[in-house]
Amino acid sequence: DVKVTQSSRYLVKRTGEKVFLECVQDMDHENMFWYRQDPGLGLRLIYFSYDVKMKEKGDIPEGYSVSREKKERFSLILESASTNQTSMYLCASTISNQPQHFGDGTRLSIL
Amino acid sequence: EDQVTQSPEALRLQEGESSSLNCSYTVSGLRGLFWYRQDPGKGPEFLFTLYSAGEEKEKERLKATLTKKESFLHITAPKPEDSATYLCAVQAAGGNNRLAFGKGNQVVVIP
Repeated sequence: DVKVTQSSRYLVKRTGEKVFLECVQDMDHENMFWYRQDPGLGLRLIYFSYDVKMKEKGDIPEGYSVSREKKERFSLILESASTNQTSMYLCASTISNQPQHFGDGTRLSIL
Repeated sequence: EDQVTQSPEALRLQEGESSSLNCSYTVSGLRGLFWYRQDPGKGPEFLFTLYSAGEEKEKERLKATLTKKESFLHITAPKPEDSATYLCAVQAAGGNNRLAFGKGNQVVVIP
């Protein structure tokens, strides 16, 4: 079974802080994704990566950056956290033409 | 732009009362349509992939079908443990592995 592990289930940070969300997958998948999920808005793609050191913007990249130094790890960075970034963040991974497998999410609160 | 619309947004069913969820989509060439189940506070869990019109997939009380414009998830004789949010997503042909998600169908099954 594919396992996608997100480092924290719950996180509380202050506005202006730099925030790191970590995601690790154990199936040697090339593709990794970061989404945020908000009530009434569904899942929205922030960034994705199809290879080490490669990244592409999704639909809502503003205020975020990503890092993929190793194949199994994909990090989401909030450069200067703001209250409108309070959300559920979900990481997923896949190989080509296969379903995406998701982690259990990080519920992030920015105060 | 790929679009996915799910209806109804929310559904309350009596245990044993069969029903169907709808996922309408527009995509520039369908590579695959995916159904996921999401429980509160958890990440989406993969259920089915459908690739071409006329295809059907079944798992326990769930059956997914696909036409050229929409997919249905039929829930037969539901039980309380089928209560969840069901997410539909499409992947376009010829592109990368990103998905476009609908906002979900929230299903509650009452004993």
